[in-house]
Amino acid sequence: NAGVTQTPKFQVLKTGQSMTLQCAQDMNHNSMYWYRQDPGMGLRLIYYSASEGTTDKGEVPNGYNVSRLNKREFSLRLESAAPSQTSVYFCASRGSRAASGSYEQYFGPGTRLTVT
Amino acid sequence: RKEVEQDPGPFNVPEGATVAFNCTYSNSASQSFFWYRQDCRKEPKLLMSVYSSGNEDGRFTAQLNRASQYISLLIRDSKLSDSATYLCVVNWISNFGNEKLTFGTGTRLTIIP
Repeated sequence: NAGVTQTPKFQVLKTGQSMTLQCAQDMNHNSMYWYRQDPGMGLRLIYYSASEGTTDKGEVPNGYNVSRLNKREFSLRLESAAPSQTSVYFCASRGSRAASGSYEQYFGPGTRLTVT
Repeated sequence: RKEVEQDPGPFNVPEGATVAFNCTYSNSASQSFFWYRQDCRKEPKLLMSVYSSGNEDGRFTAQLNRASQYISLLIRDSKLSDSATYLCVVNWISNFGNEKLTFGTGTRLTIIP
């Protein structure tokens, strides 16, 4: 049981390049999330998916797109990277409270992205 | 005003001491509260949920004061392994009925031998 996995762990992009961050969970969770973490800002929600086939914007969605490919996978795409998108990106997942009795989110190890 | 506010620290505390963190939240409709722990360059992990009656897990005690809208975490007999950043997290329901967590910026704790 790997939990939440993310690839890649590190990435350097030039301004204007595109890339997709991959996330997968093996806990059969319905909800999945993408956050970014910047110094002094805390974790901010970019996009989330409450269930397979649905996605919604979070607090800072501009410059990003997401795809909930299936129940396991939730990808984040940067179409045209900008230096302001330099950050650590975390994917998370959560099961239904009815099933787990908890709102706990499980996080992946993160992707450290630098845009030059 | 930030939705969830924490003292960023750092708190530098000798081993064996007791340390307390507070966190305030702005939305009185918030429903659930948590403390997460984040080690340097690692992902956040749930430390404990915070219940209205207060709850304890070993050396850790969490309290919730809904009237004043603050949450606290007390660590007794601190260990070197307690060194980490502690994130205050609040759950509320969005306008569309979806639940989302809002994270504080974290309080950094260093336990000194």
